[in-house]
Amino acid sequence: GDSVTQMEGPVTLSEEAFLTINCTYTATGYPSLFWYVQYPGEGLQLLLKATKADDKGSNKGFEATYRKETTSFHLEKGSVQVSDSAVYFCARANAGKSTFGDGTTLTVKP
Amino acid sequence: DVKVTQSSRYLVKRTGEKVFLECVQDMDHENMFWYRQDPGLGLRLIYFSYDVKMKEKGDIPEGYSVSREKKERFSLILESASTNQTSMYLCASSPPIDDTQYFGPGTRLTVL
Repeated sequence: GDSVTQMEGPVTLSEEAFLTINCTYTATGYPSLFWYVQYPGEGLQLLLKATKADDKGSNKGFEATYRKETTSFHLEKGSVQVSDSAVYFCARANAGKSTFGDGTTLTVKP
Repeated sequence: DVKVTQSSRYLVKRTGEKVFLECVQDMDHENMFWYRQDPGLGLRLIYFSYDVKMKEKGDIPEGYSVSREKKERFSLILESASTNQTSMYLCASSPPIDDTQYFGPGTRLTVL
């Protein structure tokens, strides 16, 4: 079946460090790809998405590029802030149904 | 902004009780979903619905049922709660031509 594999956490970084969270997906069909973020005590919210190969999603300084050849959608940010501390979920979706990765917990220290 | 609300943020129930978790969305979305979130297991799909009075089993439907009598409301029912159903329950909705999901804040259910 469809699956998403993302980098295991937790990840701890200092403020202003570079962030990469790896994500790979199964290539069945033509999925859209997403990154969601979950802040403590809240539900998930959309961070960014890409709907076709070579698309780049971006939001709040985060970026991810839909790479069909490597079936990857890695999340990057050039300079993280303490307020970026959260759990990040990679997801693929097709025909109305989504499959999520297990989540990666990011902690950013001042 | 899309708003998805869930009836309770925290709920404590006894083993064997019947439990209702309510979810309401205000954006006229056709698709609605119930997930449970557990540490180390990510999000697992329990049930989903693409229309009123329609339901489909997800990956872990055992011990759960759902009801969708109105488009905006999707209820998750635990017929006889058990301790292994202690979890965070997340409701989500999405429009038909866009796979973006909009989540509620979650209900943390504890079954004693």
